Amino acid sequence: DAMVIQNPRYQVTQFGKPVTLSCSQTLNHNVMYWYQQKSSQAPKLLFHYYDKDFNNEADTPDNFQSRRPNTSFCFLDIRSPGLGDAAMYLCATSRDLLLAGVHEQFFGPGTRLTVL
Amino acid sequence: AQSVTQLDSHVSVSEGTPVLLRCNYSSSYSPSLFWYVQHPNKGLQLLLKYTSAATLVKGINGFEAEFKKSETSFHLTKPSAHMSDAAEYFCVVRPSGGYNKLIFGAGTRLAVHP
Repeated sequence: DAMVIQNPRYQVTQFGKPVTLSCSQTLNHNVMYWYQQKSSQAPKLLFHYYDKDFNNEADTPDNFQSRRPNTSFCFLDIRSPGLGDAAMYLCATSRDLLLAGVHEQFFGPGTRLTVL
Repeated sequence: AQSVTQLDSHVSVSEGTPVLLRCNYSSSYSPSLFWYVQHPNKGLQLLLKYTSAATLVKGINGFEAEFKKSETSFHLTKPSAHMSDAAEYFCVVRPSGGYNKLIFGAGTRLAVHP
C-alpha cells in the first residue's frame, strides 16, 4: 500500500543534543510537510517542500531545519532541542498543487519526541 | 482571515447513539473542507472531504458531513457510535488558491461509553 512512513516512532534526546527525524513516502507526491503537534492541540505547520523548493512558516524557530534529498525522503533536524520542543512531529504529503482537484494531505503515524 | 471553529472541545455519547461534531468556518472564497480523525499516538486519517460536487459528503466508517454555505457549517455526523470511534476529530479548511496550507480547528475529543 502507498503510504507515509516515519522513523523512529518514538525518539528520546537530551536537552541541546541534535536530533533528526525521518519521513519517507511511496505516494510519489510533490509536496511534503512537517507539522509539530503538542498535547491536546491541533498540528502546527513548520514548513513544506514543493519539489525542492523549501517554504518556511514565518513563526518557525531557526532551531528547526529540513532537508529533502529526493522526492521520497524528507528530514526534520532540530539543532538544539529544548524542553519546549517535546511534541509529536507529523509528516504529510500531497499531490502537485497545480493539478486540478482537491488535494488532501496524507499523514504519517508521527514521531513522538521526548527531551530530557 | 480564514478560520475554523469547532464548537465543542469534548463530546461524550453512548455506544449506539448518534454522533454530532460541529464545525463552522470562515472563508472569503469557496474553500475545500475536510474532517480528519486522530486516534491516540497515531497520525491523522482523512474521514471525508468536501469538493463542491455534493453538499452531503459520505466518508469512511459510516461518517458523513453536510456543507451548508448559508450557515458556513460543515458538521460531522454518524447515526450510531461505536467504541472504536473514540478519538480526536479535526475540522480542516483549505482556502482556495494554490498554496495547500491547511487551517485546523482546535479539535473535538469524542468519548464513547458502553
